Amino acid sequence: GDSVTQKQGQVTLSEDDFLFINCTYSTTTYPTLLWYVQYPGQGPQLLLKVTTANNKGISRGFEATYDKGTTSFHLQKASVQESDSAVYFCALVADTNAYKVIFGKGTHLHVLP
Amino acid sequence: DAGVTQTPRHEVAEKGQTIILKCEPVSGHNDLFWYRQTKIQGLELLSYFRSKSLMEDGGAFKDRFKAEMLNSSFSTLKIQPTEPKDSAVYLCASSDRGAERLFFGHGTKLSVL
Repeated sequence: GDSVTQKQGQVTLSEDDFLFINCTYSTTTYPTLLWYVQYPGQGPQLLLKVTTANNKGISRGFEATYDKGTTSFHLQKASVQESDSAVYFCALVADTNAYKVIFGKGTHLHVLP
Repeated sequence: DAGVTQTPRHEVAEKGQTIILKCEPVSGHNDLFWYRQTKIQGLELLSYFRSKSLMEDGGAFKDRFKAEMLNSSFSTLKIQPTEPKDSAVYLCASSDRGAERLFFGHGTKLSVL
């Protein structure tokens, strides 16, 4: 079945550091790959979407890219700020089950001032 | 701009009690989702409605969990009877584009003693 693996449980950085979070996925379909961010006390909110057509998404200084060859997709940001501290989830929507989102376990980003 | 509203924000229940969680989706959204979030399991889909029709009843959650959509602007999730393992954050989400862009509420944090 479809699956998403997000191995980095926690990442601690200082302000202005480079952020890179990796996810791998498995599916037999043409997926839409998503990144959600969850701030404390809130529900997740969509940060970026990447499709197999466009390979890349950009929003709020974050960039998501996808590599079909290695079935992986990454979230990166050149210079993190303390306000970016949150949990980041990668997710997959397989086109055969367009209502079902497969979420990764999340990466807790802690940015030190 | 009204997002997804969930009540209550916190709920404490004794084992064996019946609890009802409430959700008001974004106006005009046809898709409504209930998720359970825990540190161990992450985000798990409990139920999915499309235009008020139940499309997914959560498989393993069918036994004691029942979601209903009484009208297009109100949904409930009933847990009966509650067990300590049900302690989690319950999230409601709505969408006008299936699973590709979910709008989540703040969640209800349930503690079962």
